[in-house]
Amino acid sequence: NAGVTQTPKFQVLKTGQSMTLQCAQDMNHNSMYWYRQDPGMGLRLIYYSASEGTTDKGEVPNGYNVSRLNKREFSLRLESAAPSQTSVYFCASERGLDQPQHFGDGTRLSIL
Amino acid sequence: GQQVMQIPQYQHVQEGEDFTTYCNSSTTLSNIQWYKQRPGGHPVFLIQLVKSGEVKKQKRLTFQFGEAKKNSSLHITATQTTDVGTYFCAGPGYTSGTYKYIFGTGTRLKVLA
Repeated sequence: NAGVTQTPKFQVLKTGQSMTLQCAQDMNHNSMYWYRQDPGMGLRLIYYSASEGTTDKGEVPNGYNVSRLNKREFSLRLESAAPSQTSVYFCASERGLDQPQHFGDGTRLSIL
Repeated sequence: GQQVMQIPQYQHVQEGEDFTTYCNSSTTLSNIQWYKQRPGGHPVFLIQLVKSGEVKKQKRLTFQFGEAKKNSSLHITATQTTDVGTYFCAGPGYTSGTYKYIFGTGTRLKVLA
């Protein structure tokens, strides 16, 4: 009964380092999302994948890349981390159009 | 592009008082979803409204979808400390040719015991 699993839960990086955040869902959902949430702020969409093999940019894609490896997994990569990317990152999945989104517990990322 | 705004941004209430958050979309929505995020947690789906003027209740929570399907509200009767968190609405729309949900800015509720 895992739902959406994100790893790692916490990470500290130095400016310029690269990192991949992992997300996997076991609900056979078609769509997957990556959001960032800054302190006291709402959710901003980084990238979106409607189905395996497709990805689309969201509101704040600069500095990020994604990969929909298969139906279960959707990873987010920071190629050269910057302090402005310090945030909590949430992955979510959705069965299909107009269905509820299920969120992972988040990755708390600090970039020094 | 489509925007979803919520007011107020913050609300502090005494335990037992009522609370309402309002959600307004710049475009007509086919449906609207509400989520709750506890402090330090992740958003959790609460409910979805589809019909114009629809009202749904979950215990002390009452959700309403406007007649024009451009606004919605969440009302909590007699708040409890367990109601603390941030409440988000989310509405679907096409952005850059892709159909996806846009989350509102959220209303953070603090309940004082």
